[in-house]
Amino acid sequence: DTGVSQNPRHKITKRGQNVTFRCDPISEHNRLYWYRQTLGQGPEFLTYFQNEAQLEKSRLLSDRFSAERPKGSFSTLEIQRTEQGDSAMYLCASSFSQQPQHFGDGTRLSIL
Amino acid sequence: DQQVKQNSPSLSVQEGRISILNCDYTNSMFDYFLWYKKYPAEGPTFLISISSIKDKNEDGRFTVFLNKSAKHLSLHIVPSQPGDSAVYFCAASEVGYSGGSNYKLTFGKGTLLTVNP
Repeated sequence: DTGVSQNPRHKITKRGQNVTFRCDPISEHNRLYWYRQTLGQGPEFLTYFQNEAQLEKSRLLSDRFSAERPKGSFSTLEIQRTEQGDSAMYLCASSFSQQPQHFGDGTRLSIL
Repeated sequence: DQQVKQNSPSLSVQEGRISILNCDYTNSMFDYFLWYKKYPAEGPTFLISISSIKDKNEDGRFTVFLNKSAKHLSLHIVPSQPGDSAVYFCAASEVGYSGGSNYKLTFGKGTLLTVNP
């Protein structure tokens, strides 16, 4: 069990640029989740995959955000035309069915 | 509106004593509750969970109590150790349309626990 892996750990970009984050879940986990955490807040749910199917998206996930999980393995989260308000820690978690979610260490996004 | 509330931003206890972290929730559809611990620069780490059909779950030094009528849960750590110093998040989940709990977690803002040697 190598844990949930997220890359990059830190991304700095200019406003208006596109960014993509990657999450590699624990290998036998069929569920994958994305959360966003800002300073002083707990993580907020963004979206959820069961295998390759995206089953739910939060209203926080505007149309500038898109997530994929091809082949039910790794997942990517893309943000287009980044804005200052997108600065946050983006956390990925995975689980096997209804077992507790295991989190990665996150990707910190900083918008200049 | 905040559906999961951790009203104490911080808590300080002496090593060896009991730490009690509290959490309140407002959504009566929540049926599964979890506690996570988070160290700086790391992701949250799962500690312990409880289903709404139980009122207590114990794992070593950690015990979670659930009072459904009061919509309140608490995490007891005894004895507290300096390595327990971290931010503790309470999280809750309701049954999803695809069935089963624990698919979308709603978190509180966290409580910073400091255990002094």
